[in-house]
Formats: sequence, C-alpha cells, structure tokens
Amino acid sequence: AQSVTQLGSHVSVSEGALVLLRCNYSSSVPPYLFWYVQYPNQGLQLLLKYTTGATLVKGINGFEAEFKKSETSFHLTKPSAHMSDAAEYFCAVSGGSNYKLTFGKGTLLTVNP
Amino acid sequence: KAGVTQTPRYLIKTRGQQVTLSCSPISGHRSVSWYQQTPGQGLQFLFEYFSETQRNKGNFPGRFSGRQFSNSRSEMNVSTLELGDSALYLCASSRRAAGDGELFFGEGSRLTVL
Repeated sequence: AQSVTQLGSHVSVSEGALVLLRCNYSSSVPPYLFWYVQYPNQGLQLLLKYTTGATLVKGINGFEAEFKKSETSFHLTKPSAHMSDAAEYFCAVSGGSNYKLTFGKGTLLTVNP
Repeated sequence: KAGVTQTPRYLIKTRGQQVTLSCSPISGHRSVSWYQQTPGQGLQFLFEYFSETQRNKGNFPGRFSGRQFSNSRSEMNVSTLELGDSALYLCASSRRAAGDGELFFGEGSRLTVL
C-alpha cells in the first residue's frame, strides 16, 4: 500500500523567497512520485514526476523535487517565488501501472508581495 | 486538443436522490479515474477504468459506482445521496494506466446535497 503525508497544510512565503513544500511517502514497492498543482476553480496539473533514474527532477514553472529514499521524502522547491505560484500543491505516490495514484491532503501556498 | 470535459459543472440535489456525473477524456486516452475532493479529506480515489474495465477501486461504499464506454467516456453514479457526499468530483484521464501518474484533470463537478 502507498500513502503520502504533506507537512503543513498552509505555507506562506514572500515574493522572491525560497519555496519548500514537504512530502513524505510510504510505499511497499519502489515508488513513483508526483507533484500536482491546483489553481482556484481548476483541475490539477502535473508539475513533475519521478519514476526511476535521476533523483533530482525538474518540472514546469521552475519547480524541482529530489527523491531521497533514505528519508522517504520528495520535497518540492523553487528558488524564487512568484505571485503566480499561489495555489494548492499535492504530492502523490503510486507503485506503478498496476497501482492507484494516492494523493496527499495538499499544501496551500500563499505568496505575499 | 480538447481537455477533459466534465458535466454538469454544478448541481444541487437533496438527500436520498441519485446523481450521474459524466466525463469525456482526452482523445486517445484509455484510462479514466475519479476522485472526490473535500476540504477535510483532500483527494480521495474512487475508481479507475481502463478500456471499459474497472482497474482499481477506492474505499467508498457501494452507493458509488461507475462505468466506462467503448469510446472511453465515463460516468459515475451516486445513489441515495447523503449530506457528506457534497464535494468536488474530479475526473482525470491518461493515455496509460493511472498509476503511471500522468493524469490530465477536468475542472470537476461540484455536488451540493441539501
């Protein structure tokens, strides 16, 4: 079985500051890990994913995440926050094609001018 | 190309009624997944259909059911509605199985149960 814990339901940063959204996972098989973003009144959009290979994954809009097996973590970062980054971010895990995709409860990112 | 389309976008029902929600996936996508989104529980997986077969199912009561047609369009039905069923229901399609993770989401159907 797979599960995801997102630490912090709400993160607030200043424009230009580092964004760090935390995600820890549990998986009985090698995990596939994902970050999705949801803007107000919209569906979710894939930011980036890790399946195998390079542990540092780059996504859209300047975001990246690093898979750390020893820490069972997949934290999302962005060096400099923009106002347009304000949204809810979801971490998700699966065990591959035969598994369902399980989402965390989300982290709402607020960016202050 | 057209995205995932969900209808209706908004609906209001009363307890005990039933509801059917529809999802048209992106052309060429064979997998359709359904999620229930609420402020307290986040996104909870309902079920996934792939080529008309239910591939995975979440921990929801039997009142929640779904199906997929040969053109990959999917419907989900909730019978005997309860107040707690009020939520945003999201549909997502993917070219391969949902577990591969590249899901494309619709904007959702917001259900209010009075």
